Amino acid sequence: GAGVSQSPSNKVTEKGKDVELRCDPISGHTALYWYRQSLGQGLEFLIYFQGNSAPDKSGLPSDRFSAERTGGSVSTLTIQRTQQEDSAVYLCASSLYGTSEAFFGQGTRLTVV
Amino acid sequence: RKEVEQDPGPFNVPEGATVAFNCTYSNSASQSFFWYRQDCRKEPKLLMSVYSSGNEDGRFTAQLNRASQYISLLIRDSKLSDSATYLCVVNGIGGTYKYIFGTGTRLKVLA
Repeated sequence: GAGVSQSPSNKVTEKGKDVELRCDPISGHTALYWYRQSLGQGLEFLIYFQGNSAPDKSGLPSDRFSAERTGGSVSTLTIQRTQQEDSAVYLCASSLYGTSEAFFGQGTRLTVV
Repeated sequence: RKEVEQDPGPFNVPEGATVAFNCTYSNSASQSFFWYRQDCRKEPKLLMSVYSSGNEDGRFTAQLNRASQYISLLIRDSKLSDSATYLCVVNGIGGTYKYIFGTGTRLKVLA
């Protein structure tokens, strides 16, 4: 595809359930990033992948959050035992290499009820 | 001190005006610099990269001053469609390649 693709675009889940968010980066992009943005707030870094490795996962807010990337392509962000404060837009971005321009997907809007 | 700081605004300007946004960053080892725009409830979109020599793209001009750790964006002849939040972004701080975003400057161009 031409751009970064995220699915689902919207997810409503009950508190305590697990959710998986998916990101398909631009083909050939080696770096992949997850951010989240709460309503009216700035972008909060979660984790960065170079290939399948995550050299920086300093932004994951708790051990309920995990992410993996396989085949140097698709990435999945998993949130276990969701809480209401996890409600936000989760944005994925990819870049050709670490310091080049990053391109974002349209995001997954997660609502925990 | 925040790693990337921007004036949140809002900046309300008439159509046709010239407006400038500034941004400062705290780490002199930062490697790459960008401006993004974000429309309400949308993802950030790359506006332009910023180079030490300065660069221009149509009505938009970006400047980087490494000595002062300062980035600027100038918009000439503002259009209604320029209304958005402008995000200053820095990468390559401390050997990690995560993008650090400022909180953004809101611009509203008035008819």
